[in-house]
Order: sequence, then structure tokens, then C-alpha cells
Amino acid sequence: GAVVSQHPSRVICKSGTSVKIECRSLDFQATTMFWYRQFPKQSLMLMATSNEGSKATYEQGVEKDKFLINHASLTLSTLTVTSAHPEDSSFYICSARQGSGETQYFGPGTRLLVL
Amino acid sequence: LAKTTQPISMDSYEGQEVNITCSHNNIATNDYITWYQQFPSQGPRFIIQGYKTKVTNEVASLFIPADRKSSTLSLPRVSLSDTAVYYCLVGDSGTGFQKLVFGTGTRLLVSP
Repeated sequence: GAVVSQHPSRVICKSGTSVKIECRSLDFQATTMFWYRQFPKQSLMLMATSNEGSKATYEQGVEKDKFLINHASLTLSTLTVTSAHPEDSSFYICSARQGSGETQYFGPGTRLLVL
Repeated sequence: LAKTTQPISMDSYEGQEVNITCSHNNIATNDYITWYQQFPSQGPRFIIQGYKTKVTNEVASLFIPADRKSSTLSLPRVSLSDTAVYYCLVGDSGTGFQKLVFGTGTRLLVSP
């Protein structure tokens, strides 16, 4: 199956700093990438959808100025958590899809801990 | 937006067949049904996808009745390593992006 990678796998940062998470589709071109957040013992919550070359579409309640998403190429999307706070600590997972109606493949996730 | 309902948890023993049923009464005509498996601290892994009738691959089978309002994931002869959370999802074709909205999932525990 298709492979999606994320970097870093885990990150610890101080409150107030910004953290960038990369999501790459390794063996296919992803026209659409999705970003999810998952808290312990809970399901995945969709944060935003991004299409290559256009602005991301954020889900209700997700602050677009806090979670900056850039989908600059067909193989790379980045999520930047700006001015991170302890409540932003979570497991962030991206997924990628080659085309409309195609299967979504998920990355391994990034564990963010904000101190 | 199509929603799914699954049992919160299931228990089984090694070597048994496990069937997890998911209801999706509001599934749209263009929506496919997809199942994912997730282990702790890992991203979901694609298991199987189908539109109607029966689909089978090397790890599972997916049964979908004619009305498509439900689906059943069948895992033959489970092992301890199949202990995970299983998510049933249907696409949201109305948005054009076909985003996936995760439900609670089914936590499967396989015991020796």
C-alpha cells in the first residue's frame, strides 16, 4: 500500500514556541491531505483538509491562525502549531489521498508534548 | 454527513472468527465503506474498502447488504496481535473532498 511519513515522530517544546510537523507521501502524489488530532483514549478528530496549492479548509472550532497548514507540493504538507500551550499536547496524525474517492493512507503520527 | 455506529468493545480468543458490525443508516449513494485498524500511538492502517456485496483480501472480509445501511468486518482466526481499535468510516461525498469522520471505533481485545 501507499506510504505516508511524518516528521518528527515526537517533539517536546516549551509553552509559547512554535512547532512544525511534516507529512509526506512517499510513493504517490497526494492531491489532498488531512490533519487529525487524537487525545488519549479518544477517536481521531479531523482538524483540516488541504489541497495542493490552495488554502486549507478548517473544521469548526479549529483556529486557523493557530494551526497553520501549508500544502506546497503534491508530496508534502506541513502543520505548524503556533504559540503552543500545554492543552495543545496531543497526537497529531496526517493522511493523504491520491485523488477524489481514493483511499486515505495515514502517517504514523507525531506525539507533541508542550511543557 | 454520514455517521457510523459500532460496538464500543468486543472480546475474543485466539483462533476465533470476529465479526464487527457497523451501522451507517444515512450512507450516500457515492460513499464507500472503509475500515481501519489502529494500534496505540500509531496512525490508522487501512484494512479493507467496499461499496456493496462482499469484498475479501488477505486479512479480512467485508460484507455489505443490499441496502448498504450496515457493514460487517470479518477477521478470520484472530491472534493476539489483532488487539486494536477498529474504525468503520463512510465518505462524506457532499463536501466534494470526501473527508472521513471517525466515530468511536470498536476496541477489540484478543485473549489467549
